[in-house]
Order: sequence, then C-alpha cells, then structure tokens
Amino acid sequence: DVVMTQSPLSLPVTLGQPASISCRSSQSLVHSDGNTYLSWFLQRPGQSPRRLIYRVSNRDSGVPDRFSGSGSGTDFTLKISRVEAEDVGVYFCMQTTHWPPCTFGPGTKVDFK
Amino acid sequence: EVQLVESGGGLVQPGGSLRLSCAASGFTFNNYWMSWVRQAPGKGLEWVANIKPDGSDTYYADSVKGRFSISRDKAKNSLFLQMNSLRAEDTAVYYCTRGKTPDYWGQGTLVTVSS
Repeated sequence: DVVMTQSPLSLPVTLGQPASISCRSSQSLVHSDGNTYLSWFLQRPGQSPRRLIYRVSNRDSGVPDRFSGSGSGTDFTLKISRVEAEDVGVYFCMQTTHWPPCTFGPGTKVDFK
Repeated sequence: EVQLVESGGGLVQPGGSLRLSCAASGFTFNNYWMSWVRQAPGKGLEWVANIKPDGSDTYYADSVKGRFSISRDKAKNSLFLQMNSLRAEDTAVYYCTRGKTPDYWGQGTLVTVSS
C-alpha cells in the first residue's frame, strides 16, 4: 500500500500571510496513463471534506485562486497565498494512482496563532 | 446541484449488521464510480470501498474485506453499504462520495458499534 505522510501535522497561521503544507508518498504517484492522481481536501470544523485540488494542480470549481497545488513523483505541496478566516480546518492529501486501497495522508490542522 | 444523502447509521452491538444507503441526485448516477469513506471520531479519513458505474466490479479496504459489501441500484440512483460482523473499530462517520477521487461528499452518517 502507498503510505502518505504530511508535514507539518499542525500549522499555526496568520491572517493574510502565506501557508504551505507538504505531502509525500512512499512511491511515485505517476500512473501508467501519465497522470498523477494526487488530490487535496479541506475539512472545516463540523463539516464534510471538500475537494480543493485534483491531479496535483487543478483547482475544483469554486475554489479560490489563493489555493495552489504543485509537485511531482513523491513530493507535493499545497500553498495558500494569503490565509483567510474560512481556511481553518484539516487538510488531507489523497492518492488514487495505486489502488486499491486509495490512501489518505494523516491530515494537517490549520488554525490561527 | 449534486446531492448525496446518507442514511441508515445508528448504534449496533459487536457482531451485528447495518445497511447504509446513499440517495444521489443532481447528476447522471450511472456514469460515475461511487465510494464510501469513513472517519473514526477525532481521526483521519479511511477509504472503505468503491464500485464501478455499472456495478460490475467492487473493491475494498483490507480492514473490511469479507465483512462489508458495496452495491448500487441504478433505477433508484442509490448506493449501499452492507456491513456485517461489525467491530468496535468500525465506529465512524461514513461518507458517501462520488468518483474514485471524491469530488462530492455527503454529510455522513454515524455508525457506533458498542455493547
């Protein structure tokens, strides 16, 4: 199974400042079809998760452009250019390249300092 | 608008069974893979199972293989999860999701396995 790790696991942020979360996989997430199936999700307190980014860098509809995804192979990053109040919650990465099973990272809790 | 509404959760004793349902609307259900993802209290996300659009193939996490069964009813635009031989560690919120990489999630239904 592909093991996903994230760092940091807790990220204190400041309103209006940038933030960055790292996600690493135990093996390359490049699929035989050439795509890399790495996604990012945000789970706000008391809510269901919401997908933000798919295939490394593609923003879902309605996701603000302050969110960006990058990376390749085994190393990926989610960046928030300027943190807003609604960005607090837990961020998860997920791989669906090598499945079953699909695997999630442990989550990064983002909260204000 | 895409909507996924789960039902069927509740309290069940260890060794018992439960069947979860998910009513899908706002999209062509028969065109999409569907999945179940769970989240134990205060924990992270765990993929449980998924099913092909035509229901011909199903896949499971090792932790539930042989005990859980995912199915779908195209006439009713519904997804199901039959859970047998439930254990305390199956206690979680179960989310119905669309796609292999879930782009839409339901609100979840809580399953509690306890005596």
